[in-house]
Amino acid sequence: DAKTTQPNSMESNEEEPVHLPCNHSTISGTDYIHWYRQLPSQGPEYVIHGLTSNVNNRMASLAIAEDRKSSTLILHRATLRDAAVYYCILRDGGRNAGNMLTFGGGTRLMVKP
Amino acid sequence: DAGITQSPRHKVTETGTPVTLRCHQTENHRYMYWYRQDPGHGLRLIHYSYGVKDTDKGEVSDGYSVSRSKTEDFLLTLESATSSQTSVYFCAISESGTGLGEQFFGPGTRLTVL
Repeated sequence: DAKTTQPNSMESNEEEPVHLPCNHSTISGTDYIHWYRQLPSQGPEYVIHGLTSNVNNRMASLAIAEDRKSSTLILHRATLRDAAVYYCILRDGGRNAGNMLTFGGGTRLMVKP
Repeated sequence: DAGITQSPRHKVTETGTPVTLRCHQTENHRYMYWYRQDPGHGLRLIHYSYGVKDTDKGEVSDGYSVSRSKTEDFLLTLESATSSQTSVYFCAISESGTGLGEQFFGPGTRLTVL
């Protein structure tokens, strides 16, 4: 699987937008960009995924660079509950290979009241 | 929330004893996974299943075996537990085997091997 690079940690103020970056310069044409997050003492949970176009859902937005070598997860108004480790993961959408997730270190987001 | 339960949620055992962790789902998803997570690290895949009686190894499978005799249950067995297997174990399920599929995770089992 192609590798992703994320900052180890970021800090945000409550109710402000947060932009979490991810670099994936070796991404292939069939790789989807997935984001998961892991709240303290819980299992990971799916946040969003996309291929080329920007995506929005009730949790977040995903902005994908035109060359697809980087992406940004956007939380529009951070809350204390958004404090978590955020993982950016590439998955090959073209193969039925079991859909295993390969987790890197992720970005630990801290939200200040 | 996806219907995934793990049992036990916490276990303390001694080196050399066998341990079985259970993952149970009510979603009828085909794919099931066992991951482990060590402090300060992301999850690593141990084994996964792509159907009843169909399993395959993941990145860190040594010392672990799995079984899936029913769609809803995926068992992870440590035949002879070692201290290096002290970890938090997460089960996950997915409907799809492609990279489009979302994975749903259970609450985790914290295992301590003394």
